[in-house]
Amino acid sequence: AQKITQTQPGMFVQEKEAVTLDCTYDTSDPSYGLFWYKQPSSGEMIFLIYQGSYDQQNATEGRYSLNFQKARKSANLVISASQLGDSAMYFCAMREGPGGGNKLTFGTGTQLKVEL
Amino acid sequence: NAGVTQTPKFQVLKTGQSMTLQCAQDMNHEYMSWYRQDPGMGLRLIHYSVGAGITDQGEVPNGYNVSRSTTEDFPLRLLSAAPSQTSVYFCASSPQGINSPLHFGNGTRLTVT
Repeated sequence: AQKITQTQPGMFVQEKEAVTLDCTYDTSDPSYGLFWYKQPSSGEMIFLIYQGSYDQQNATEGRYSLNFQKARKSANLVISASQLGDSAMYFCAMREGPGGGNKLTFGTGTQLKVEL
Repeated sequence: NAGVTQTPKFQVLKTGQSMTLQCAQDMNHEYMSWYRQDPGMGLRLIHYSVGAGITDQGEVPNGYNVSRSTTEDFPLRLLSAAPSQTSVYFCASSPQGINSPLHFGNGTRLTVT
């Protein structure tokens, strides 16, 4: 079974609008971390935001917020006030504890295009 | 402020050739890993290491070897290149712990003909 599922291969959003990128995960480990990365067309991997499994509040970093619904095992990324520079591939990832080797597993990504 | 340094940036190999992708980090991170990125498949873990002298297999280890003789370096060896190994390879490092994001190198684009 996929540990991280991103069901939206591609998304379009108008500039200045908000957009939600979906991510669901699967783990039996009670302790894990969830991450979102951005990969622009230049290819580098940029860390955006982190959510811990025990965190009570949703993580926020500037225009990025993580909508964490633990019971549903979802960790959606919300980008507010989209900008043209947000056009990129976005990856959701999960890091499990020592029992899972501390490995970080990625989803297949969502290509976001911000339009004027 | 070097971070994670990968070399080379680009490489073309013929089928059957071997080569080593270099990865070095200067952040004293215990954890290092190699991923390959293929269109539509995200990043898949090849091998990883939780410290010097310790390595383990990831999701797609076949055809690749690693070693970790120092904290700083984590080279990836392709033993006998195959066209299926055409990909973009990323090295990444982090402190241990589920709350630590990976720091990535800039990637190596490898083509096997």
